Amino acid sequence: QKEVEQNSGPLSVPEGAIASLNCTYSDRGSQSFFWYRQYSGKSPELIMSIYSNGDKEDGRFTAQLNKASQYVSLLIRDSQPSDSATYLCAVNGPRMDSSYKLIFGSGTRLLVRP
Amino acid sequence: SAVISQKPSRDICQRGTSLTIQCQVDSQVTMMFWYRQQPGQSLTLIATANQGSEATYESGFVIDKFPISRPNLTFSTLTVSNMSPEDSSIYLCSVEREIAGDEQFFGPGTRLTVL
Repeated sequence: QKEVEQNSGPLSVPEGAIASLNCTYSDRGSQSFFWYRQYSGKSPELIMSIYSNGDKEDGRFTAQLNKASQYVSLLIRDSQPSDSATYLCAVNGPRMDSSYKLIFGSGTRLLVRP
Repeated sequence: SAVISQKPSRDICQRGTSLTIQCQVDSQVTMMFWYRQQPGQSLTLIATANQGSEATYESGFVIDKFPISRPNLTFSTLTVSNMSPEDSSIYLCSVEREIAGDEQFFGPGTRLTVL
């Protein structure tokens, strides 16, 4: 089982719709969860971080965390063609020396149709 | 977020040679990280570079192949040694800002092609 799993997509939504991106993780001890957006040929850009169960909203983005189900999601409201990118879920996971590192999912490609 | 620059932005190298990638941050940071992103894949952590101590390498990555320096709190280098075509990847540095918890911010990346 992969440590952080995402559907690779592409997820295709019409402009103005809500895009829902999902991520599951395997380590119950994870405490920090992140969503990055990566445009083709560019480096990842942090768009949301979430640490507690529930919802966290920032503009058109809402991150949702359910630690009991080991599930984190990202909702993008009023999707725009400029939102078309790959969205990477990242979760902090343990290392051998008991520190933590970020583990990335394989990413979901989002396509917003005009 | 931090302003992070990397040099070179891209390079084409011959097998058997080495390339050193530089990462510069606009402010002092404790934790710097080096990642690899192979074509069409996600990010894999190579090592963590803390100033004043040896880099910590992840499973599958060794110091002889990927030596790292961290001479101060704003700068780090990653060398890709004795390159083969399998080393063709994007190499990214990232930093963790203490005031932002454990959020990481990435540099623009170095696109390496090995012939």
